[in-house]
Amino acid sequence: DTGVSQNPRHKITKRGQNVTFRCDPISEHNRLYWYRQTLGQGPEFLTYFQNEAQLEKSRLLSDRFSAERPKGSFSTLEIQRTEQGDSAMYLCASSLGFRDTEAFFGQGTRLTVV
Amino acid sequence: KQEVTQIPAALSVPEGENLVLNCSFTDSAIYNLQWFRQDPGKGLTSLLLIQSSQREQTSGRLNASLDKSSGRSTLYIAASQPGDSATYLCAVTQMDSSYKLIFGSGTRLLVRP
Repeated sequence: DTGVSQNPRHKITKRGQNVTFRCDPISEHNRLYWYRQTLGQGPEFLTYFQNEAQLEKSRLLSDRFSAERPKGSFSTLEIQRTEQGDSAMYLCASSLGFRDTEAFFGQGTRLTVV
Repeated sequence: KQEVTQIPAALSVPEGENLVLNCSFTDSAIYNLQWFRQDPGKGLTSLLLIQSSQREQTSGRLNASLDKSSGRSTLYIAASQPGDSATYLCAVTQMDSSYKLIFGSGTRLLVRP
């Protein structure tokens, strides 16, 4: 396993369409995080999972956003009825789940809503 | 609410210069602090992690320090090279059950040949 993998790398969609992103974490990592990064800013926390349980969601995660992590393996992030303001880089990270462990990030999915 | 600030926002230096990037945070209740590198359009690469009980970490030409009581960290890059050009982000791990990262806005570094 070489690291966190995200697909697709780029996604262009029309406003109002639904999109889904996938994240495959490092295999032994229990914790999986989603972040969103807009141009010129640092990433902002969206949500995280411990195994299959989604334990926290940011206020940034509107009702149009949903995330899942079935069986505690890969995760998906779906955005319904996309808006232009959803255009951003969506980053996934994983960690072992202990407080002293590094977070490892994927290459991100860049979403452009036109 | 934790806030992380990075200064300067952008930096341009000639090749070979030693440089310091600064990071400050408002709440000292952190587990650790990480420095990341981000190339344009790419994800984040972890450079150094400093535990809250540590004062510094070194990796090659990089040295990061942490003063938790004053809410400050620095990333020192020795003998900079054009390949070091990237955005450098610092992030603190919140002392809550989520262990989520709170990021600064980054410092964009350009090392001129």
